[in-house]
Amino acid sequence: DIQMTQSPSSLSASVGDRVTITCRASQGISNNLAWYQQKPGKAPKLLIYGAFTLQSGVPSRFSGSGSGTDFTLTISSLQPEDVATYYCQKYNSDPLTFGGGTKVEIK
Amino acid sequence: EVQLVESGGGLEQPGGSRRLSCAASGFTVSNYAMNWVRQAPGKGLEWVSIISGSAYGIGYSTYYADSVRGRFTISRDNSKNTLYLQMNSLRAEDTAVYYCVRGYASGSYNPLDYWGQGILVTVSS
Repeated sequence: DIQMTQSPSSLSASVGDRVTITCRASQGISNNLAWYQQKPGKAPKLLIYGAFTLQSGVPSRFSGSGSGTDFTLTISSLQPEDVATYYCQKYNSDPLTFGGGTKVEIK
Repeated sequence: EVQLVESGGGLEQPGGSRRLSCAASGFTVSNYAMNWVRQAPGKGLEWVSIISGSAYGIGYSTYYADSVRGRFTISRDNSKNTLYLQMNSLRAEDTAVYYCVRGYASGSYNPLDYWGQGILVTVSS
């Protein structure tokens, strides 16, 4: 099975900072990669799919890039409401594996 | 408006069985892939199972995580627009919040675009 590895596992940044989270697949998955945001006590929310396509209603400060094995989620200007845990997920084949998550906090 | 409402959670003994239900509204479950994803307390997300949509009335496929294969069964009742997860031979490590999640389209391999609020299943003696 393909493994998904996220880094870092947590980060702390200031409001307005640029934040980057990486996700690496153990084998190539083309662009079949999604990013989810989970706020405390809430269900996850789809942010990005197809590695870089923004889901409807998601703020444009979020962006995704990458293909094959290496992917990035970027928040261009961190806002207080972005405090959450972020997960990548590959969906090219079963199992639809998630990364371990990255917890984002405000410094 | 798309809504997914899970029910059937609670406390179960090790070795016991439990059936989760997910009532869908705002769309037809048979036209989409439907998933179960779980999250153990304080842990990350774990995909559990998927049932593909039945495009044009043609059959469907089901897949399972290794951790539940042979013990859990995913199914749906098109007349009730409801998804199910039958969980047998429950173990302590099955303790988690279980989310019912819609796939973006009918095929098995799509991002997950709508999530239920989640239902807690606790396996303990």
